[in-house]
Amino acid sequence: GAVVSQHPSRVICKSGTSVKIECRSLDFQATTMFWYRQFPKQSLMLMATSNEGSKATYEQGVEKDKFLINHASLTLSTLTVTSAHPEDSSFYICSALLTSGAPYEQYFGPGTRLTVT
Amino acid sequence: SQKIEQNSEALNIQEGKTATLTCNYTNYSPAYLQWYRQDPGRGPVFLLLIRENEKEKRKERLKVTFDTTLKQSLFHITASQPADSATYLCALGSNYQLIWGAGTKLIIKP
Repeated sequence: GAVVSQHPSRVICKSGTSVKIECRSLDFQATTMFWYRQFPKQSLMLMATSNEGSKATYEQGVEKDKFLINHASLTLSTLTVTSAHPEDSSFYICSALLTSGAPYEQYFGPGTRLTVT
Repeated sequence: SQKIEQNSEALNIQEGKTATLTCNYTNYSPAYLQWYRQDPGRGPVFLLLIRENEKEKRKERLKVTFDTTLKQSLFHITASQPADSATYLCALGSNYQLIWGAGTKLIIKP
């Protein structure tokens, strides 16, 4: 149980275009999901906390107008990278919070490799 | 500020030996600590959780220790196998927020 999927797994887009990444909790409902960014050989950097039915909470230094987050249902959160630039190329990972036990646990998706040309 | 340190250099271990990875932290009092495995191009996979009031946790060939006085966790893989080669991340938690280390790459040589 507690499976999280991400789509697409890889995406290449041209500079100036927008790309949407989906994160789904397949067998549980998640009020809270997280979006991370990871650069090679570095730790996961939390970008934002996505809350179902409300606005996302962004970490300091993350542009909310550039990284649009929508958590429209208890099983789906989306991250849209708007007007992408080459420096946005990275590995994006989502996680969903399972709250049925204590402490709450995050289950991670397989990640999305974004390349902006 | 909060800081988590994991050995940034790759750890090379001979197959069959015990691999030991270290996670040190400062300026933080986590309620729990987690270890994850991450393979190249993949998201982290949860391995073990240990709470602040626990000294040791085991799961099959894995063992985690947690010393809140030293602010250190050790992660052991016994009878290591080439399939154990991956990057291992530690994460410190309070409520549901996690703070991540950069990970240590483990290479098990046949």
